[in-house]
Amino acid sequence: DVKVTQSSRYLVKRTGEKVFLECVQDMDHENMFWYRQDPGLGLRLIYFSYDVKMKEKGDIPEGYSVSREKKERFSLILESASTNQTSMYLCASVASSPGQGNQPQHFGDGTRLSIL
Amino acid sequence: QQQVKQSPQSLIVQKGGISIINCAYENTAFDYFPWYQQFPGKGPALLIAIRPDVSEKKEGRFTISFNKSAKQFSLHIMDSQPGDSATYFCAASLRTYKYIFGTGTRLKVLA
Repeated sequence: DVKVTQSSRYLVKRTGEKVFLECVQDMDHENMFWYRQDPGLGLRLIYFSYDVKMKEKGDIPEGYSVSREKKERFSLILESASTNQTSMYLCASVASSPGQGNQPQHFGDGTRLSIL
Repeated sequence: QQQVKQSPQSLIVQKGGISIINCAYENTAFDYFPWYQQFPGKGPALLIAIRPDVSEKKEGRFTISFNKSAKQFSLHIMDSQPGDSATYFCAASLRTYKYIFGTGTRLKVLA
Protein backbone atom coordinates (compact mmCIF):
# COMPACT_ATOMS: atom_id res chain seq x y z
CA ASP A 1 0.00 0.00 0.00
CA VAL A 2 1.10 3.53 -0.73
CA LYS A 3 1.96 5.45 2.38
CA VAL A 4 2.03 9.23 2.51
CA THR A 5 3.25 10.48 5.86
CA GLN A 6 2.89 14.01 7.14
CA SER A 7 5.26 14.74 9.96
CA SER A 8 2.83 16.57 12.26
CA ARG A 9 -0.86 15.96 12.92
CA TYR A 10 -1.30 19.22 14.83
CA LEU A 11 0.83 22.33 14.83
CA VAL A 12 0.41 25.67 16.60
CA LYS A 13 2.51 28.62 15.49
CA ARG A 14 2.52 32.38 15.92
CA THR A 15 1.98 35.03 13.27
CA GLY A 16 5.17 35.98 11.48
CA GLU A 17 6.88 32.64 12.11
CA LYS A 18 8.37 30.60 9.29
CA VAL A 19 6.58 27.26 9.25
CA PHE A 20 7.67 24.02 7.63
CA LEU A 21 5.26 21.18 6.84
CA GLU A 22 6.88 17.93 5.76
CA CYS A 23 5.53 15.11 3.64
CA VAL A 24 7.16 11.81 2.72
CA GLN A 25 5.89 9.10 0.37
CA ASP A 26 7.26 5.59 0.07
CA MET A 27 6.15 4.58 -3.42
CA ASP A 28 8.67 6.38 -5.60
CA HIS A 29 5.95 8.64 -7.02
CA GLU A 30 7.05 11.40 -9.35
CA ASN A 31 4.20 13.78 -8.55
CA MET A 32 3.46 15.34 -5.19
CA PHE A 33 0.89 17.93 -4.12
CA TRP A 34 0.04 20.26 -1.28
CA TYR A 35 -3.60 21.19 -0.67
CA ARG A 36 -5.38 23.14 1.98
CA GLN A 37 -8.83 22.04 3.10
CA ASP A 38 -11.33 24.51 4.49
CA PRO A 39 -15.03 23.90 5.29
CA GLY A 40 -17.23 24.68 2.31
CA LEU A 41 -14.26 25.25 0.02
CA GLY A 42 -13.12 21.69 -0.54
CA LEU A 43 -9.50 20.97 -1.39
CA ARG A 44 -7.56 23.76 -3.03
CA LEU A 45 -4.20 23.14 -4.66
CA ILE A 46 -1.34 25.23 -3.31
CA TYR A 47 1.66 23.81 -5.19
CA PHE A 48 2.65 20.64 -6.90
CA SER A 49 5.87 19.04 -8.02
CA TYR A 50 6.32 16.64 -10.93
CA ASP A 51 9.97 15.85 -10.33
CA VAL A 52 12.84 16.60 -7.99
CA LYS A 53 13.53 20.34 -7.85
CA MET A 54 10.56 20.97 -10.17
CA LYS A 55 7.50 22.82 -8.91
CA GLU A 56 4.46 24.55 -10.26
CA LYS A 57 1.99 26.92 -8.66
CA GLY A 58 -1.49 25.73 -7.96
CA ASP A 59 -4.59 27.83 -7.42
CA ILE A 60 -3.62 29.53 -4.14
CA PRO A 61 0.20 29.82 -3.94
CA GLU A 62 0.36 33.25 -2.31
CA GLY A 63 2.17 33.17 1.03
CA TYR A 64 3.57 29.69 0.43
CA SER A 65 6.65 28.13 -1.10
CA VAL A 66 7.76 24.54 -1.54
CA SER A 67 10.91 22.49 -1.68
CA ARG A 68 11.61 19.12 -3.25
CA GLU A 69 15.22 18.12 -2.89
CA LYS A 70 14.55 14.37 -2.85
CA LYS A 71 11.95 12.40 -4.75
CA GLU A 72 10.22 11.07 -1.65
CA ARG A 73 9.98 14.35 0.27
CA PHE A 74 7.94 17.47 -0.43
CA SER A 75 7.95 20.38 1.98
CA LEU A 76 5.50 23.25 2.26
CA ILE A 77 6.84 26.49 3.69
CA LEU A 78 4.84 29.37 5.10
CA GLU A 79 7.30 32.21 4.79
CA SER A 80 5.63 34.45 7.38
CA ALA A 81 2.60 32.76 8.89
CA SER A 82 -0.64 34.68 9.13
CA THR A 83 -3.92 33.85 10.86
CA ASN A 84 -5.69 33.32 7.51
CA GLN A 85 -3.38 30.37 6.93
CA THR A 86 -4.98 28.46 9.78
CA SER A 87 -6.26 25.37 8.01
CA MET A 88 -5.93 21.65 7.39
CA TYR A 89 -3.04 20.91 5.02
CA LEU A 90 -3.02 17.73 2.98
CA CYS A 91 -0.19 16.19 1.03
CA ALA A 92 -0.76 13.76 -1.84
CA SER A 93 1.28 11.80 -4.33
CA VAL A 94 0.69 9.92 -7.56
CA ALA A 95 2.84 8.04 -10.03
CA SER A 96 3.37 9.14 -13.59
CA SER A 97 2.06 6.46 -15.90
CA PRO A 98 2.32 7.48 -19.53
CA GLY A 99 -0.14 5.64 -21.68
CA GLN A 100 -2.07 4.23 -18.73
CA GLY A 101 -4.33 7.17 -18.12
CA ASN A 102 -4.89 8.97 -14.87
CA GLN A 103 -3.97 7.33 -11.61
CA PRO A 104 -5.52 8.08 -8.21
CA GLN A 105 -3.82 10.45 -5.85
CA HIS A 106 -2.90 9.06 -2.43
CA PHE A 107 -3.28 11.37 0.55
CA GLY A 108 -1.67 11.72 3.93
CA ASP A 109 -3.79 12.23 7.05
CA GLY A 110 -3.20 15.96 7.12
CA THR A 111 -1.66 18.56 9.39
CA ARG A 112 -4.05 20.80 11.25
CA LEU A 113 -2.20 24.10 11.54
CA SER A 114 -3.29 26.90 13.84
CA ILE A 115 -1.70 30.31 13.57
CA LEU A 116 -2.21 32.46 16.67
CA GLN B 1 -14.55 26.26 -16.82
CA GLN B 2 -12.25 24.51 -14.41
CA GLN B 3 -14.81 24.24 -11.61
CA VAL B 4 -16.55 21.16 -10.36
CA LYS B 5 -19.81 21.96 -8.60
CA GLN B 6 -20.91 19.51 -5.93
CA SER B 7 -24.26 19.22 -4.16
CA PRO B 8 -25.67 18.94 -1.60
CA GLN B 9 -23.33 20.40 0.97
CA SER B 10 -24.74 18.08 3.61
CA LEU B 11 -27.00 15.04 3.57
CA ILE B 12 -28.82 13.05 6.23
CA VAL B 13 -30.05 9.59 5.31
CA GLN B 14 -31.72 6.83 7.29
CA LYS B 15 -29.91 3.52 7.63
CA GLY B 16 -30.73 1.35 4.63
CA GLY B 17 -31.59 4.31 2.42
CA ILE B 18 -29.92 5.55 -0.73
CA SER B 19 -27.47 8.44 -0.56
CA ILE B 20 -27.02 10.47 -3.74
CA ILE B 21 -24.37 13.12 -4.28
CA ASN B 22 -24.17 15.07 -7.51
CA CYS B 23 -21.37 16.83 -9.35
CA ALA B 24 -21.38 18.96 -12.49
CA TYR B 25 -18.53 20.19 -14.63
CA GLU B 26 -18.05 22.49 -17.61
CA ASN B 27 -14.84 21.40 -19.27
CA THR B 28 -15.58 18.53 -21.65
CA ALA B 29 -11.87 17.68 -21.81
CA PHE B 30 -11.93 16.21 -18.29
CA ASP B 31 -11.12 12.53 -18.65
CA TYR B 32 -11.07 11.04 -15.16
CA PHE B 33 -13.62 11.42 -12.37
CA PRO B 34 -12.72 9.99 -8.96
CA TRP B 35 -14.72 10.06 -5.75
CA TYR B 36 -12.94 10.33 -2.42
CA GLN B 37 -14.20 9.45 1.06
CA GLN B 38 -12.82 11.21 4.11
CA PHE B 39 -13.38 10.24 7.74
CA PRO B 40 -12.68 12.73 10.56
CA GLY B 41 -8.98 12.95 11.32
CA LYS B 42 -8.03 11.11 8.15
CA GLY B 43 -6.97 12.10 4.66
CA PRO B 44 -9.26 11.49 1.68
CA ALA B 45 -9.13 7.97 0.29
CA LEU B 46 -10.13 6.90 -3.19
CA LEU B 47 -13.55 5.29 -3.17
CA ILE B 48 -14.37 4.73 -6.83
CA ALA B 49 -13.49 6.36 -10.15
CA ILE B 50 -14.86 6.46 -13.68
CA ARG B 51 -13.69 7.48 -17.14
CA PRO B 52 -16.05 9.21 -19.58
CA ASP B 53 -16.26 6.26 -21.96
CA VAL B 54 -18.60 4.40 -19.59
CA SER B 55 -21.95 5.49 -18.16
CA GLU B 56 -21.88 3.57 -14.91
CA LYS B 57 -19.45 1.85 -12.59
CA LYS B 58 -20.40 -0.20 -9.58
CA GLU B 59 -18.27 -1.43 -6.71
CA GLY B 60 -20.24 -3.10 -3.97
CA ARG B 61 -22.79 -0.63 -2.59
CA PHE B 62 -21.17 2.32 -4.39
CA THR B 63 -22.11 3.30 -7.94
CA ILE B 64 -21.01 6.19 -10.14
CA SER B 65 -23.48 7.29 -12.80
CA PHE B 66 -21.98 9.40 -15.55
CA ASN B 67 -23.97 11.54 -17.98
CA LYS B 68 -21.58 12.89 -20.58
CA SER B 69 -24.14 14.97 -22.47
CA ALA B 70 -25.33 16.69 -19.29
CA LYS B 71 -21.77 16.99 -17.97
CA GLN B 72 -22.84 15.49 -14.66
CA PHE B 73 -21.82 12.55 -12.55
CA SER B 74 -23.17 11.25 -9.30
CA LEU B 75 -22.35 8.87 -6.49
CA HIS B 76 -25.03 6.52 -5.24
CA ILE B 77 -24.60 4.67 -1.96
CA MET B 78 -27.10 1.86 -1.70
CA ASP B 79 -28.21 0.45 1.66
CA SER B 80 -26.43 3.31 3.44
CA GLN B 81 -24.86 2.40 6.79
CA PRO B 82 -23.78 4.50 9.78
CA GLY B 83 -20.19 3.58 8.89
CA ASP B 84 -20.64 5.45 5.61
CA SER B 85 -20.93 8.72 7.53
CA ALA B 86 -18.07 10.78 6.15
CA THR B 87 -17.30 13.65 3.82
CA TYR B 88 -17.32 12.82 0.13
CA PHE B 89 -15.48 14.72 -2.58
CA CYS B 90 -15.87 14.42 -6.31
CA ALA B 91 -13.03 15.45 -8.58
CA ALA B 92 -12.15 15.79 -12.24
CA SER B 93 -8.82 15.53 -13.99
CA LEU B 94 -7.66 16.84 -17.34
CA ARG B 95 -5.09 14.47 -18.87
CA THR B 96 -2.73 15.44 -16.09
CA TYR B 97 -2.20 14.44 -12.52
CA LYS B 98 -3.87 17.59 -11.27
CA TYR B 99 -7.36 17.28 -9.87
CA ILE B 100 -10.13 19.83 -9.56
CA PHE B 101 -12.12 18.96 -6.44
CA GLY B 102 -15.72 19.66 -5.58
CA THR B 103 -16.49 21.41 -2.30
CA GLY B 104 -17.48 18.23 -0.48
CA THR B 105 -20.65 16.67 0.94
CA ARG B 106 -20.95 15.77 4.59
CA LEU B 107 -23.03 12.59 4.83
CA LYS B 108 -24.62 11.43 8.05
CA VAL B 109 -26.39 8.08 8.13
CA LEU B 110 -28.75 7.69 11.05
CA ALA B 111 -28.87 4.34 12.83
